[in-house]
Amino acid sequence: DAKTTQPNSMESNEEEPVHLPCNHSTISGTDYIHWYRQLPSQGPEYVIHGLTSNVNNRMASLAIAEDRKSSTLILHRATLRDAAVYYCILRDRDDKIIFGKGTRLHILP
Amino acid sequence: DTGVSQDPRHKITKRGQNVTFRCDPISEHNRLYWYRQTLGQGPEFLTYFQNEAQLEKSRLLSDRFSAERPKGSFSTLEIQRTEQGDSAMYLCASSPSDRANTEAFFGQGTRLTVV
Repeated sequence: DAKTTQPNSMESNEEEPVHLPCNHSTISGTDYIHWYRQLPSQGPEYVIHGLTSNVNNRMASLAIAEDRKSSTLILHRATLRDAAVYYCILRDRDDKIIFGKGTRLHILP
Repeated sequence: DTGVSQDPRHKITKRGQNVTFRCDPISEHNRLYWYRQTLGQGPEFLTYFQNEAQLEKSRLLSDRFSAERPKGSFSTLEIQRTEQGDSAMYLCASSPSDRANTEAFFGQGTRLTVV
C-alpha cells in the first residue's frame, strides 16, 4: 500500500505558484521522497526527489518538513501543460515504486 | 537513447486469447518494473526485475500472468486466457540501479482492450 497521503484534486490559476502537499508520517530514516507526474495519455514522468534538504530543479522545488513527515512540491509558475496527476512516493533501497492515487491538478486559464 | 519503448501501443483481443507485451528498457538499466493502470487509478505494481532475476510478484498477478527478462535486457509480459477485467494500460519502467535516489523512466504503455 502507498505510504503517503495527498489531496484528491487541486486547482490553480495559470502563471501562479502551486503548492502540492503530501503527508508521510511513517517515513523511515532511509526513505527518499520522490514526486512523479502523469500527463493525460502518457506514462508517469519523474519530477524531483529529496531526502532531508529542500531541492530545486528546472521543473519544480521540493520543500521537506524538518521532521520529514510531510513535504510540498512547488511549481513556481503553473502553465496549462502542468495539468496532470502528481504522485508523492517514498522509496527505500530495493523497494518497488508504489503509487497512490495522487493529486489531480487542474490549471485554470 | 530513445527512452523506454513498449510494443504494441494498443492491443485489442478476444476474451480467452493469449497476449504478449514487450518492453525495451533504457540501455544498461538493470532494474525493470511492470505496472497496470485502469482509468482514474494510479499505476498498480505488478512485478519487477533486477537484471534477469524476478524479485517480486504482486498478489494482483494471477497465475495467468507471467513476466520474463531473459539476459537482463528486454522484458515480456504475457497474459493467458484473457478476461475483460484485464483491460487496462500496462506500463513498463526502468531504472539505472536499485538505489533509492535514482529515478525511474516510464514507457508510453500498452493499452489492452479485451472484448
